[in-house]
Amino acid sequence: AQRVTQPEKLLSVFKGAPVELKCNYSYSGSPELFWYVQYSRQRLQLLLRHISRESIKGFTADLNKGETSFHLKKPFAQEEDSAMYYCALSYTGFQKLVFGTGTRLLVSP
Amino acid sequence: GAVVSQHPSWVICKSGTSVKIECRSLDFQATTMFWYRQFPKQSLMLMATSNEGSKATYEQGVEKDKFLINHASLTLSTLTVTSAHPEDSSFYICSARGPGLAGGLRYEQYFGPGTRLTVT
Repeated sequence: AQRVTQPEKLLSVFKGAPVELKCNYSYSGSPELFWYVQYSRQRLQLLLRHISRESIKGFTADLNKGETSFHLKKPFAQEEDSAMYYCALSYTGFQKLVFGTGTRLLVSP
Repeated sequence: GAVVSQHPSWVICKSGTSVKIECRSLDFQATTMFWYRQFPKQSLMLMATSNEGSKATYEQGVEKDKFLINHASLTLSTLTVTSAHPEDSSFYICSARGPGLAGGLRYEQYFGPGTRLTVT
């Protein structure tokens, strides 16, 4: 069965520190991986997708098929990065998304 | 562009009554919409996939007779919680599959703001 694991419920860092939010997945085929972000009192929105290999708001994520991971990284965290981050997997041409439990990132000044 | 709205944003109802939640794609047509449920401090769990003009596809363990989904037009899907009970209290979120933005993605899911249901 498809599964997404985010081991950290809360990640607290100081402004300027590097950030890595971990995500591991379980799927035997070729998944599409995404990171979604939910800022306080806002709706869920797409942050990154692995096929795009892009950097959004300084965040990057690399799909490691050997380790079945898709960790989200940012070299220098900002206070405005504080939010809930969800890793998600799609295995049916974006017909369905399986979400991880989420990691709350708290960036302190 | 690609905005999804939900109505109402919150609702309180008495046990045994039914509640309808609307999900609308405001500036695009969505043949496919999704309904999720989120318990406090937990992840989003997909309940069902709503397809315009056809029956919804429910995930395992979701009671289709309790959670009625209707996707009668390309911009509107509704979720009706029938004979609601306190255990149905939750945050219900819909998303609509819409055009992908820059980055090579053909489709993207756009999420509504959610509806908080409290059953007393």
